[in-house]
Amino acid sequence: ETGVTQSPTHLIKTRGQQVTLRCSSQSGHNTVSWYQQALGQGPQFIFQYYREEENGRGNFPPRFSGLQFPNYSSELNVNALELDDSALYLCASSSTDTDTQYFGPGTRLTVL
Amino acid sequence: AQTVTQSQPEMSVQEAETVTLSCTYDTSENNYYLFWYKQPPSRQMILVIRQEAYKQQNATENRFSVNFQKAAKSFSLKISDSQLGDTAMYFCAFLNTGNQFYFGTGTSLTVIP
Repeated sequence: ETGVTQSPTHLIKTRGQQVTLRCSSQSGHNTVSWYQQALGQGPQFIFQYYREEENGRGNFPPRFSGLQFPNYSSELNVNALELDDSALYLCASSSTDTDTQYFGPGTRLTVL
Repeated sequence: AQTVTQSQPEMSVQEAETVTLSCTYDTSENNYYLFWYKQPPSRQMILVIRQEAYKQQNATENRFSVNFQKAAKSFSLKISDSQLGDTAMYFCAFLNTGNQFYFGTGTSLTVIP
């Protein structure tokens, strides 16, 4: 069974740029959730995708957007990057059969 | 909105001893799930234990057990026979019926040899 994978591991961008982060869900999982984890904080829910549709969203502005593909992998896009967007971005997958989310290793984004 | 509170930012325990991490939450829902996740320095979040709110019996997973008090909205994690590999950040998490996770701010646990 393949776990959740994320790419890239690290990323450095400058303010105003755009970034795309990628996530491959665990085998058999059809739901992907994205979280932002600032240094020293708990993860904050960004949004969730189920069957290629957004299925819930946290308190994040529209410049945070996402996609889910037919193979259930997902992308998180952030436009007009701000310094406060610097964080660890976590992806988690789950299925409709289980409420437990399984997390990937995260992408560390630094905005300069 | 749901909130999860972990009032112990840092804790330490001697190897082989027992430690309890606290968590309280606030919700108006009756059906939900609670979790403890562990995040080692390598940063991958790992599920430790889960509890369904409709189950009165406390969940147990090897050395890890919970004390779930639904009326008090309390969900503490007990780690028995602490091992060096238990050193990590521990997050309490709440899952609502809308399938949204809410995490606490975490407790940094250090197991001392």
